[in-house]
Amino acid sequence: AQSVTQPDIHITVSEGASLELRCNYSYGATPYLFWYVQSPGQGLQLLLKYFSGDTLVQGIKGFEAEFKRSQSSFNLRKPSVHWSDAAEYFCAVGADDYKLSFGAGTTVTVRA
Amino acid sequence: NAGVTQTPKFRVLKTGQSMTLLCAQDMNHEYMYWYRQDPGMGLRLIHYSVGEGTTAKGEVPDGYNVSRLKKQNFLLGLESAAPSQTSVYFCASSYPQGRSNQPQHFGDGTRLSIL
Repeated sequence: AQSVTQPDIHITVSEGASLELRCNYSYGATPYLFWYVQSPGQGLQLLLKYFSGDTLVQGIKGFEAEFKRSQSSFNLRKPSVHWSDAAEYFCAVGADDYKLSFGAGTTVTVRA
Repeated sequence: NAGVTQTPKFRVLKTGQSMTLLCAQDMNHEYMYWYRQDPGMGLRLIHYSVGEGTTAKGEVPDGYNVSRLKKQNFLLGLESAAPSQTSVYFCASSYPQGRSNQPQHFGDGTRLSIL
């Protein structure tokens, strides 16, 4: 079965600084990979997804992620963080047609 | 353009009470899911359904039952609520990922407290 590890529970970043969130997955074949964002009291919103092809994926809100098969990673990046990016971020991996496994999440705090 | 709608948004129950959470989607998705979210554990799949009239167990199914009588609705039931079921519950829906490359769409969640 597939699994996901997000090594960082909490990250604090200054507004305008760059952000990188780590995600490592475990799965024997090429997985489907997703990043979701959750604002307080809200559901999960899809930031971006990787299914195949170009390993650098662009998403909404200025986010991008890079799939590295050799490292089993799918790290999320943003060049310049805005205060509105404060949220919890989840990496997820799908292998079967219908099931996703989620990481425990990384909480991002943005300081002025 | 409602997407995935969950009702109720908040509920407090006493131990042993029963209740049903309702999820409705208007995107004609075949697949629907119920997750629970607990601090530090991400989302864990409770039950899912791959079509009307079919349901299956996920990662943490004990203490819950589900029904999918209509394609657009997916109900989650707690027959005898326990404090360990205090959580935030999320419903999601999707096309089959392998067929159309569509991700799961989530509702806003139901906060459930069991006293």
